Amino acid sequence: QSALTQPASVSGSPGQSVTISCTGTSSDVGNYNLVSWYQQHPGKAPKLMIFEGTQRPAGISNRFSGSKSGSTASLTISGLQAEDEADYYCCSYAVSGTYVFGTGTKVTVL
Amino acid sequence: EVQLLESGGGLVQPGGSLRLSCAASGFTFKNYVMSWVRQAPGKGLEWVSSIGGTGGAAYYADSVKGRFIISRDNSKNSLYLQMDTLRADDTALYYCAKDKYRSDAFDLWGQGAMVTVSS
Repeated sequence: QSALTQPASVSGSPGQSVTISCTGTSSDVGNYNLVSWYQQHPGKAPKLMIFEGTQRPAGISNRFSGSKSGSTASLTISGLQAEDEADYYCCSYAVSGTYVFGTGTKVTVL
Repeated sequence: EVQLLESGGGLVQPGGSLRLSCAASGFTFKNYVMSWVRQAPGKGLEWVSSIGGTGGAAYYADSVKGRFIISRDNSKNSLYLQMDTLRADDTALYYCAKDKYRSDAFDLWGQGAMVTVSS
């Protein structure tokens, strides 16, 4: 149950796009289309942004999109806004009912 | 209102025990898988444990297996985490989380209960 690998930080100017990668193995990301992404502002609980790799929950802006290739999932934030500055975590279903989170990425809006 | 409210956190000595509770409201509790996720101070999220809607199936992270027990009481719309043989590295904010129906994602989170393991 090793954590999925994410870059520690990414940054972009308002209006730009940023992409966060999430690299796992054939036991988690590579074997299931069950990657989810969470946004966490300081002192707040995480918020679901993407589920099943590409699906957005009701109320989540279409500026957030997810994809997957092999054992690497990605979250893209388009039209970056100041309110997008937060920590982002990926999570994948893994073997036998378990889950594994990513190491987390801090998104900075310049 | 749809919400989760954790309680039971606190300061405990290494080797001690603590029981966390999570009160659910605003949704049909028995229909959903429920989980505990923790976050050590300044660190990332770590999945701890999940339990099926009927309480018959439970899963644990290797880091807590054999020390923690997850349970639920659907008549009380409540989720629990019994934590035994606590260690310093169990110090964290423990979140209760609801599974998005058949999607293996966590779509509702509580505000967390802080557990500090220290002598």
